[in-house]
Amino acid sequence: AQSVTQLDSQVPVFEEAPVELRCNYSSSVSVYLFWYVQYPNQGLQLLLKYLSGSTLVESINGFEAEFNKSQTSFHLRKPSVHISDTAEYFCAVLPRGYQKVTFGTGTKLQVIP
Amino acid sequence: DVKVTQSSRYLVKRTGEKVFLECVQDMDHENMFWYRQDPGLGLRLIYFSYDVKMKEKGDIPEGYSVSREKKERFSLILESASTNQTSMYLCASAPRFGGEQYFGPGTRLTVT
Repeated sequence: AQSVTQLDSQVPVFEEAPVELRCNYSSSVSVYLFWYVQYPNQGLQLLLKYLSGSTLVESINGFEAEFNKSQTSFHLRKPSVHISDTAEYFCAVLPRGYQKVTFGTGTKLQVIP
Repeated sequence: DVKVTQSSRYLVKRTGEKVFLECVQDMDHENMFWYRQDPGLGLRLIYFSYDVKMKEKGDIPEGYSVSREKKERFSLILESASTNQTSMYLCASAPRFGGEQYFGPGTRLTVT
């Protein structure tokens, strides 16, 4: 069985400051990794994903995440946050060859003006 | 534009009522999922379906059942609603292997 740990339930950060949202996972097989974002009163939408290849993946709105196999981590970073980044962020893991995703408990990012 | 729709955004039901939540996707995906989302617990899988008429229990199936008679439609049924089923319910669809999940907007269900 796999699991996902997001240690920080809430992360307050000032506008234009950098942020890192942490995600660690455990799995007995190779995995695909995802970050989803949920804006208030909406469903989740994909932010970025790691399937294979380069361990550094980027989103169109400036977020990036790096797959670190030795540390079993997939931390999400942004060098300068904006008010519109205020949302809840979920890390997720999908074992290769399987169909069920396991989600973390989420991290609420609060950007302070 | 790909889309997953859910029949209601907000729903209020009484204890003991039978509740139907409907989900429809237009992406021809094989897999469909029902989650419930509660503060501090993240998303927990209730049931998923990998084909028409096929289903598999998730982590918290008790008190729920599902139906998938057509590929694009996946229904969640609360046979006898209870107050502890008050929650946000999210439907998602995905291709058979390795793909991202596409979520609907959610149904906030309150059972009184």
